[in-house]
Amino acid sequence: GNSVTQMEGPVTLSEEAFLTINCTYTATGYPSLFWYVQYPGEGLQLLLKATKADDKGSNKGFEATYRKETTSFHLEKGSVQVSDSAVYFCALSDPRRGSYIPTFGRGTSLIVHP
Amino acid sequence: DVKVTQSSRYLVKRTGEKVFLECVQDMDHENMFWYRQDPGLGLRLIYFSYDVKMKEKGDIPEGYSVSREKKERFSLILESASTNQTSMYLCASSLRQQETQYFGPGTRLLVL
Repeated sequence: GNSVTQMEGPVTLSEEAFLTINCTYTATGYPSLFWYVQYPGEGLQLLLKATKADDKGSNKGFEATYRKETTSFHLEKGSVQVSDSAVYFCALSDPRRGSYIPTFGRGTSLIVHP
Repeated sequence: DVKVTQSSRYLVKRTGEKVFLECVQDMDHENMFWYRQDPGLGLRLIYFSYDVKMKEKGDIPEGYSVSREKKERFSLILESASTNQTSMYLCASSLRQQETQYFGPGTRLLVL
């Protein structure tokens, strides 16, 4: 079946450092890929997505490129802020019953120090 | 903006109690989902519903049931709560043909 593997955390960085969170997937077909973010005490919210190979999703300074050849969707940001401290989930969507059901990775906690 | 609300943010129950967790969405979404979130395990799908009165098991349905009598409301039921059901429970909704999910704030359940 489909699966998503992302790097274990926590990832601890100083403010303005470069961020990479790795995500790889296995899937049949060509699923859409997502990054969701969960801030402390909140539910998940969509950060960015890409629907086909070579698409780049971007939002709030974060970017990720859908790489079919390496089955990857790594999240990057050039300069992190303390407010980026959160848990980040990589996910792919799986068509089922005429709907789309996500498969989530285990999440990567990011801690940014001033 | 889509709003997904959950009936409680924190809940403490005793082993063997029947527990109801409720979720309401205000955007006329066809799909609704219940997940549990545990450290190191990420999100695991318990049940989802693609229409009123329709439900489908997710990856970990044992010990849970669900009810969807109205389109906007999706309830998760723990028939007899056990300590291993202590967790964070997240509800989500989405449109049938769209892939983005919208999440509620979560209910942190402690079973003693």
